[in-house]
Amino acid sequence: SFELTQPPSVSVSPGQTARITCSGDALPNQYGSWYQQKPGQAPVLVIYKDSERPSGIPERFSGSSSGTRVTLTISGVQAEDEADYYCQSADSSGTYVVFGGGTELTVL
Amino acid sequence: QVQLQESGPGLVKPSETLSLTCVVSGGSIRPHYWSWIRQSPGKGLEWIGNIYYSGSTDYNPSLKSRVTIAVDTSKNQISLKLTSVTAADTAVYYCARDLEDYGSGTHWFDAWGQGTRVTVSS
Repeated sequence: SFELTQPPSVSVSPGQTARITCSGDALPNQYGSWYQQKPGQAPVLVIYKDSERPSGIPERFSGSSSGTRVTLTISGVQAEDEADYYCQSADSSGTYVVFGGGTELTVL
Repeated sequence: QVQLQESGPGLVKPSETLSLTCVVSGGSIRPHYWSWIRQSPGKGLEWIGNIYYSGSTDYNPSLKSRVTIAVDTSKNQISLKLTSVTAADTAVYYCARDLEDYGSGTHWFDAWGQGTRVTVSS
């Protein structure tokens, strides 16, 4: 099986930079994506193909990849960014989709 | 802008079959993949499986023996059937448009329904 590992929680003060990591053995061969989920709402795609940002997503959201890790960076964090963030990728064949366990971002 | 709307019974008895439908509006089922994803209370996201508009499917190995996903292009909708449900299948079920990078085979989800809550209980 293929797993993605995220830290359970990250805390930052408003205006600072938040970095959320996601590790997985297949990530050198598969792209990572990131989703933001606020309470009671469906997830929203914020980054795909490691670093691509969908239209409508603020520029403060960025993504990067290095080896077995992908990272979501939120620059100049705002109170509205407080949410759960999930990384997502696939097994080495690309057949089976996997989500990380999620990271709760707290804006202090 | 594509919109997805899930529907189905909110309560299913143990050992019975869960059946959900997702209607796609504002866009065509073709030429995309479509996935079902669930989220148990207080837990993370779990991919159930996907279907290509042509009808080919892939399922999460942990659920494969109980899952069937189908597509009806004439109605612009996809469906999910999950058999022999237990309390562990209690979750919010989402349908999502599933995009693929053909080079790597990686998928991601750019549009989601609002989700439908299903409780398994007698």
